[in-house]
Amino acid sequence: GEDVEQSLFLSVREGDSSVINCTYTDSSSTYLYWYKQEPGAGLQLLTYIFSNMDMKQDQRLTVLLNKKDKHLSLRIADTQTGDSAIYFCALGPGRRALTFGSGTRLQVQP
Amino acid sequence: DTGVSQDPRHKITKRGQNVTFRCDPISEHNRLYWYRQTLGQGPEFLTYFQNEAQLEKSRLLSDRFSAERPKGSFSTLEIQRTEQGDSAMYLCASSLGQQGPSYEQYFGPGTRLTVT
Repeated sequence: GEDVEQSLFLSVREGDSSVINCTYTDSSSTYLYWYKQEPGAGLQLLTYIFSNMDMKQDQRLTVLLNKKDKHLSLRIADTQTGDSAIYFCALGPGRRALTFGSGTRLQVQP
Repeated sequence: DTGVSQDPRHKITKRGQNVTFRCDPISEHNRLYWYRQTLGQGPEFLTYFQNEAQLEKSRLLSDRFSAERPKGSFSTLEIQRTEQGDSAMYLCASSLGQQGPSYEQYFGPGTRLTVT
C-alpha cells in the first residue's frame, strides 16, 4: 500500500513563508494534491501537481515535487492568520480513491 | 450553493442502532466517494461509485456498512448495528471522472457520527 507521512505541527509568524512537507513510498502516483481543512469543516482542494512536473505555482502557493526522493512540499508565501488549518497531502492515480497523509497543523501567530 | 452537500451534519446514536447518511454531489459529477476520518488522522477511503455502479470497496467497509447510489445522483451510506468504533467524520466527495485534472475530488462538509 501507499504510506504518506507528514510532520504533525508547524508554527510560523504572520507574513513569513510556511513550508509543509510530505513524503511517500509509492512512486506510481500520478497526481499529488494538497487539501486544507479548517475546524469542523470538510476538505478544500488547494492545488495539485502532476507527477511529470517539478513545480507548480498558484498565487501564494508553490508546490515542489522531488520524485527521486519521493518528497512533496507546499510553500505558502506571506502566511496569514486565515491560513491556520490542517493541511493534507494526498496521492492518487487520478481516477480512483486518494491516499491521505495524517495532516500538518499550521498555526500562524500574529 | 453548488458544492457537495451532506445530511445530517451531526448524528448521535446509541450502540446497536442503524444510521443512514446522505450525500448530494456536484450536479455534473459522475464519480462519488465515501471516506471516513477519525480524530487526528487523514481521511481513509471506504468506497466509490461511477454513476450508479459501485466500483471499489475498501477492507474498512465491513458487512455492517452498505452504500448505494440508485440513480447515479445522490448516495446513501448506511451503518447497521453501530459500534463505538464507528464514531468518526464521514466525508463524501465527487469528481467529474473524465481526464486529467477533472479527477479532482471536491469534498462535502461531512457528517460527524457519535456512537454512545
